Amino acid sequence: DTGVSQNPRHKITKRGQNVTFRCDPISEHNRLYWYRQTLGQGPEFLTYFQNEAQLEKSRLLSDRFSAERPKGSFSTLEIQRTEQGDSAMYLCASSRDRGDGYTFGSGTRLTVV
Amino acid sequence: AQSVTQPDIHITVSEGASLELRCNYSYGATPYLFWYVQSPGQGLQLLLKYFSGDTLVQGIKGFEAEFKRSQSSFNLRKPSVHWSDAAEYFCAVGPRKLIWGLGTSLAVNP
Repeated sequence: DTGVSQNPRHKITKRGQNVTFRCDPISEHNRLYWYRQTLGQGPEFLTYFQNEAQLEKSRLLSDRFSAERPKGSFSTLEIQRTEQGDSAMYLCASSRDRGDGYTFGSGTRLTVV
Repeated sequence: AQSVTQPDIHITVSEGASLELRCNYSYGATPYLFWYVQSPGQGLQLLLKYFSGDTLVQGIKGFEAEFKRSQSSFNLRKPSVHWSDAAEYFCAVGPRKLIWGLGTSLAVNP
């Protein structure tokens, strides 16, 4: 068990550029979650996968955001045409069963300049 | 509406003192309740969780929490705080899409 891995750890991008983040969950976990956290706030839910199926997506996720989990293993989160308001920590978590606590990755810190 | 309230934004305790962090929730169904800790620059780590059974649950790092349905509370406690416990603590309610409080920042004086 190597934990949840997120790459990159940090990303600085210019406004208007596209960025993609990757999450590798714990191998036996079939549930994967993306959250966003800004300073002084708790995490905000973005989206949830069970295996390869995206079962829920927050209204926070505009059309510029998309997430995939093509083979039910790793996941990617893409943000198109980044805006300064997208600057945040993007957290990935995985769990085995409903109601299990999540295991979080260390996050990807995005700064849009 | 579903929500989690952590009334204390910031708490300072002396090393060796006891600690209680408050959490109140509003949830329409039977809640799954969680406490997480986040150290600076680190990810979130699960301290403990509750769904059913004994209302006093033990977690890692010497923490425990008590579920009180009548008060819609799930307060986190530790009998003797260590300097390494300084961190941000989050309460969350689920089970799947977790709803989070704003967190309580804990500082520990030597």
